[in-house]
Amino acid sequence: QKEVEQNSGPLSVPEGAIASLNCTYSDRGSQSFFWYRQYSGKSPELIMSIYSNGDKEDGRFTAQLNKASQYVSLLIRDSQPSDSATYLCAVKHANRDDKIIFGKGTRLHILP
Amino acid sequence: EPEVTQTPSHQVTQMGQEVILRCVPISNHLYFYWYRQILGQKVEFLVSFYNNEISEKSEIFDDQFSVERPDGSNFTLKIRSTKLEDSAMYFCASTGDTQYFGPGTRLTVL
Repeated sequence: QKEVEQNSGPLSVPEGAIASLNCTYSDRGSQSFFWYRQYSGKSPELIMSIYSNGDKEDGRFTAQLNKASQYVSLLIRDSQPSDSATYLCAVKHANRDDKIIFGKGTRLHILP
Repeated sequence: EPEVTQTPSHQVTQMGQEVILRCVPISNHLYFYWYRQILGQKVEFLVSFYNNEISEKSEIFDDQFSVERPDGSNFTLKIRSTKLEDSAMYFCASTGDTQYFGPGTRLTVL
């Protein structure tokens, strides 16, 4: 069974602090890794993708990938109240259909 | 910016009725997908569609479900005889360089 595991939270972080979100995956054939943000009642919105080991930064967001440990993380610097949402970790196997497997998500609450 | 669109935004139906959910993927994308999300649960893959045929489907996608691309722009999901447990958000997605999701259709089966 191909699984993506996340702590469901809620994770409460003071405004301006760093939020750290973690994810593990079971399928070693996974090649592409994504973080989506989902506001309540809305569709997932892609915020970061990462394909190779190491860090990838985009604005206040940094994704980290460690394929040996099958671990992906997302850091949000200078957290804002608007960052309060559920963050979905997702992975894609290297086959032709591009199916994405999602974790259950971590609820993040930024405290003003 | 191009986007995936879905109609209707909310569909209410009686158990046993047929529903058709509609999607317009981004025009130059080649892969299309349906996902569903039951309230409070994770986003689940239903089916992927490429070159006018199903390329993969999950165990959820049983004989009650079908997909179709009736013309050059629309991509539909049909549920033949809805059950109470089909109540969920249904998301369409399409892939170019990355996967983009539509806003979803909330299906409520009474």
